[in-house]
Amino acid sequence: DVQMTQSPSYLAASPGESVFISCKASKSISNYLAWYQQKPGEANKLLIYSGSTLQSGTPSRFSGSGSGTDFTLTIRNLEPEDFAVYYCQQYYEKPLTFGSGTKLEIK
Amino acid sequence: EVQLVESGGGLVQPGRSLKLSCAASGFTFSSFPMAWVRQAPKKGLEWVASISSGGGGTYYPDSVKGRFTISRDNAKSTLYLQMDSLRSEDTASYYCARRTGRAYYFDYWGQGVMVTVSS
Repeated sequence: DVQMTQSPSYLAASPGESVFISCKASKSISNYLAWYQQKPGEANKLLIYSGSTLQSGTPSRFSGSGSGTDFTLTIRNLEPEDFAVYYCQQYYEKPLTFGSGTKLEIK
Repeated sequence: EVQLVESGGGLVQPGRSLKLSCAASGFTFSSFPMAWVRQAPKKGLEWVASISSGGGGTYYPDSVKGRFTISRDNAKSTLYLQMDSLRSEDTASYYCARRTGRAYYFDYWGQGVMVTVSS
């Protein structure tokens, strides 16, 4: 199985700042990587697919980069609604696997 | 508006069965592959089953293969997950998710239903 290692697991930042979340795959997954946002009481939201393609409706302050084994989710100019948990997911092969999540909290 | 609404969760004893449902609306259900993803309390996400748009193809990870069965009724726009021989480690929130037609990521999710396996 492809193991997805996310870091950090916890991140505190202030509105207006930029943050970077890393996701590393245990083998090359090309660009078959998606990023999701999870908030309590809401449905999970797809932010990015194919490593860097923004899903329709995702604000432009979100960006994804990387290919192969190393990927990064960048959020610039944090807004209050961005404080949530973020997960990466590889879809290069089954079983589909997710990272362990990064909780982004307000500092 | 795409909506996915899960139901059927609850408390069940180890070894027993439970069947989850997911009612879909706002899109042509029969055109999209679907999946179930779960999340144990305070844990991350785990994919548990996928099904093709027509229902002819189903896929599972080893952790649930042989115990869980995904199915769909396209006439009713409903997705199902039959869970047999339940274990305590199956305790989780179960999410219904729409898979994109192109690849194995999920563009819409339901809000989830809780399943607790305990005696």
